[in-house]
Amino acid sequence: QVQLQESGPGLVKPSQTLSLTCTVSGDSITSGSYNWCWIRQTAGKGLEWLGRIYSTGSTNYNPSLKSRVTISRDTSANQFSLELTSVTAADTAVYYCARDLVDFYFAFDVWGQGTRVTVSS
Amino acid sequence: DIQMTQSPFSLSASVGDRVTITCRASQSISNYLNWYQEKPGKAPKLLIYAASRLQTGVPSRFSGSGSGTDFTLTISSLQSEDFATYYCQQSYITPTFGQGTRLEIK
Repeated sequence: QVQLQESGPGLVKPSQTLSLTCTVSGDSITSGSYNWCWIRQTAGKGLEWLGRIYSTGSTNYNPSLKSRVTISRDTSANQFSLELTSVTAADTAVYYCARDLVDFYFAFDVWGQGTRVTVSS
Repeated sequence: DIQMTQSPFSLSASVGDRVTITCRASQSISNYLNWYQEKPGKAPKLLIYAASRLQTGVPSRFSGSGSGTDFTLTISSLQSEDFATYYCQQSYITPTFGQGTRLEIK
C-alpha cells in the first residue's frame, strides 16, 4: 500500500523559502507509471496544483508560480521535495503531496495527509 | 488556465436522496475530468477519473458522466458518510480544480 508523508516547518517568515519533503513508501518514485505532485489548499483560492516531477526526473510547474517553485527528488531516500521562494501571507496553506498516473488520466489517486504552513513574521 | 465552475456551491439533502453536482470547464477538456470527496481534516479522496471511471473501492452509488465542457457527479442514494465537500478537477492541461460543492444534511 502506497503512503505519502509530508514533512517540514510549519512556520516560515515572509520573503523566505518554504521547503517541504514528501517521503514515499510502498512504491518507487522512479517507477515509470507514476508522477509525483505538490498541491496546496488555501481558504481563498481553494485547491491549487503547484507542479510535478516525473519518474524520469523532469519537472512541470504551474505557470502562475513557475518562477518561484522548484521540485526535486532524492531517489536514494525515495523522497521528493518542494521549494517555494519569496513567500508571502498568500502562501499560507495546507500543502499536500500526491501521486498521479497517466493511465488514470493524471488523476491524483494517493495523497499525503497534508501539512499546514503559515507564513508570518 | 482552464476554469472549472461547479454548481451548486452548497446543497442540503437527506439520506436516501439522489444528488447531482455539475462541473463546467471554460474550454473543452475531452474526458480529462476527475472527482474528489473531501472530509474535514482529511486529504481529498479520488472517486471518479476520466469522467466516468469509478476508482477501485468507491461504492457504486457514485457515478460520473459528461465530456467536452459539461460533467456531472451523481450519488444515487445518499448515505450518512457521503456528507462532505466534492471537487471536480481537470487534467487536460495544467491541472485546475473547481471551487467545491458542500453537501450538507437537511
